[in-house]
Amino acid sequence: EIMLTQSPGTLSLSPGERATLSCRASQSVSTYLAWYQQKPGQAPRLLIYDASKRATGIPARFSGSGSGTDFTLTISSLEPEDFAVYYCQHRKNLWAFGQGTKVEIK
Amino acid sequence: EVLLLESGGGLAQPGGSLKLSCRASGFTFSSSAIAWVRQAPGEGLEWVSTSGTFGDTYFADSVKGRFTISRDNSKNTVSLQVSGLRAEDTAVYYCARLEPTGLSKYFDYWGQGILLTVSS
Repeated sequence: EIMLTQSPGTLSLSPGERATLSCRASQSVSTYLAWYQQKPGQAPRLLIYDASKRATGIPARFSGSGSGTDFTLTISSLEPEDFAVYYCQHRKNLWAFGQGTKVEIK
Repeated sequence: EVLLLESGGGLAQPGGSLKLSCRASGFTFSSSAIAWVRQAPGEGLEWVSTSGTFGDTYFADSVKGRFTISRDNSKNTVSLQVSGLRAEDTAVYYCARLEPTGLSKYFDYWGQGILLTVSS
């Protein structure tokens, strides 16, 4: 079973700042990695797939990078609506999520 | 417009059973794998089960042997039969579509979720 570990657990930033979120896999998942955003009381939303491709309608301030075991989600300049919890997810054999990173307003 | 609508949640007794359903619309249902993902109160996301397009099914270790999944392509519906319920099965259960490429890697559309509470 491939585990995903996200860091940090919480990121405290101000609007306009850059956010860098990390996701590390216990074994290589190639580029089979996605990122999701979840706001309170809402279902998750797909942001990034195949490690670096933006899903339909996702703003360009969201970008993903990485391959193998180390991945990064970057939000270039935080907008007020970006404060949320972010999850990474792999599809190497079955499906699994990381434990999440909360991006909160500083 | 792709829509996924869950139903069947509620309160169940420990050791009991319940059936969750997900009705889909707005896409070719038979060409898409459908999954259930759950979220315990205040916790993260946990993949539970997937119904593939060729009758293949997959389960997380935490529910294997207790949950079954089935689909009815004529009704655009996937059902999750949950049994042997435990308190730790309490969660919001989301139905999600897996993007309709060959590998069904990512969850591109989600339902609004339905709450299952296991308590005596």
